Amino acid sequence: KNQVEQSPQSLIILEGKNCTLQCNYTVSPFSNLRWYKQDTGRGPVSLTIMTFSENTKSNGRYTATLDADTKQSSLHITASQLSDSASYICVVSYTGGGNKLTFGTGTQLKVEL
Amino acid sequence: KAGVTQTPRYLIKTRGQQVTLSCSPISGHRSVSWYQQTPGQGLQFLFEYFSETQRNKGNFPGRFSGRQFSNSRSEMNVSTLELGDSALYLCASSSGAWEARADTQYFGPGTRLTVL
Repeated sequence: KNQVEQSPQSLIILEGKNCTLQCNYTVSPFSNLRWYKQDTGRGPVSLTIMTFSENTKSNGRYTATLDADTKQSSLHITASQLSDSASYICVVSYTGGGNKLTFGTGTQLKVEL
Repeated sequence: KAGVTQTPRYLIKTRGQQVTLSCSPISGHRSVSWYQQTPGQGLQFLFEYFSETQRNKGNFPGRFSGRQFSNSRSEMNVSTLELGDSALYLCASSSGAWEARADTQYFGPGTRLTVL
């Protein structure tokens, strides 16, 4: 069964600190992996998209890594800001019978002063 | 460039009724996807349309249907509403066919549906 598991479920950090969110998947055959940020009451916003051949992708203070061999991805946030408080969702796309998506349940991040 | 718009933003219906939600993609985008988001299940893929054709479908019952018009605008319909259909329904657009390519999807603000 195709699954995406994210950890931790929730996280509280102080402003200015770094943090790393994890995503493990069992999706096959793999197409690409995406990280989204979703603010409360709003639609998700794409942060990074990585295909099989990519192992690192950055978007400002956000850096995603992908290890296709171990089927793991991480999202590293540097020098966190209050505006980083949101839900971060990992989405893995797989091929075969059309492109299908498997979503993680997200990591709820709260950045405090 | 205007973003993805969804109407209405909020909707309250009763069990057994039907509902139609609308999504206008970013100008020039031909792919529209629909998602259901609930606290318990998270985000789940409903279906994707490209050039008026349904390209992919998630694991939802036939009560959930959609269509896309020639101007790429899309509608989603849910018939015989159940309490469990209460959710945030999100629409996303991208420039090309979703398939295996890594096109960026742009999400709308969603329609919050409450079924009483």
